[in-house]
Amino acid sequence: GESVGLHLPTLSVQEGDNSIINCAYSNSASDYFIWYKQESGKGPQFIIDIRSNMDKRQGQRVTVLLNKTVKHLSLQIAATQPGDSAVYFCAELNAGGTSYGKLTFGQGTILTVHP
Amino acid sequence: GAGVSQSPSNKVTEKGKDVELRCDPISGHTALYWYRQRLGQGLEFLIYFQGNSAPDKSGLPSDRFSAERTGESVSTLTIQRTQQEDSAVYLCASSYRTGRNEQFFGPGTRLTVL
Repeated sequence: GESVGLHLPTLSVQEGDNSIINCAYSNSASDYFIWYKQESGKGPQFIIDIRSNMDKRQGQRVTVLLNKTVKHLSLQIAATQPGDSAVYFCAELNAGGTSYGKLTFGQGTILTVHP
Repeated sequence: GAGVSQSPSNKVTEKGKDVELRCDPISGHTALYWYRQRLGQGLEFLIYFQGNSAPDKSGLPSDRFSAERTGESVSTLTIQRTQQEDSAVYLCASSYRTGRNEQFFGPGTRLTVL
């Protein structure tokens, strides 16, 4: 069945370092892949998405890479800050049919940034 | 403007009782989604609404779970005869339309079934 999973459950970095969070997916039919950030006690917050026909997309301090050959997604955060500490989820979006807008989430990676 | 709100923020109930969870979406958002998040896990899709119609109920775990929505406004998720395995955070999200449009999440309702 469909699944989205993560390689690493936890990641600890020093402030100012770059962070890379990885995700593997199995459903090649997904239209978009999305990264969410979830802080303690809050709902997930959209960070960045990438369409399935793209390889790379950049935002402010973040870059998402999509490798469809190996079904791998990554989120790169530049100059990581303590405020980036949170759980990061990858999710895939099916934008068609009866599952229009349904998100399938991975388990999450806990990012801890040490000052 | 105001974001997605959910109530109550916390709910503790006894096994076998019914509970109702409420979601107030962002005004003007036609699509509304319910997800469940168990401790240390990702979010599981439960159901979504386009207006007050629910085209996809495939994520509802059992017939004890139901949801309704009034127009393009408030939605309630009802769990009947709660079980301990229902304990989780229930998250609601809304978006302007279905599809690719960004989903804005509420803070969730933490449900604990004793």
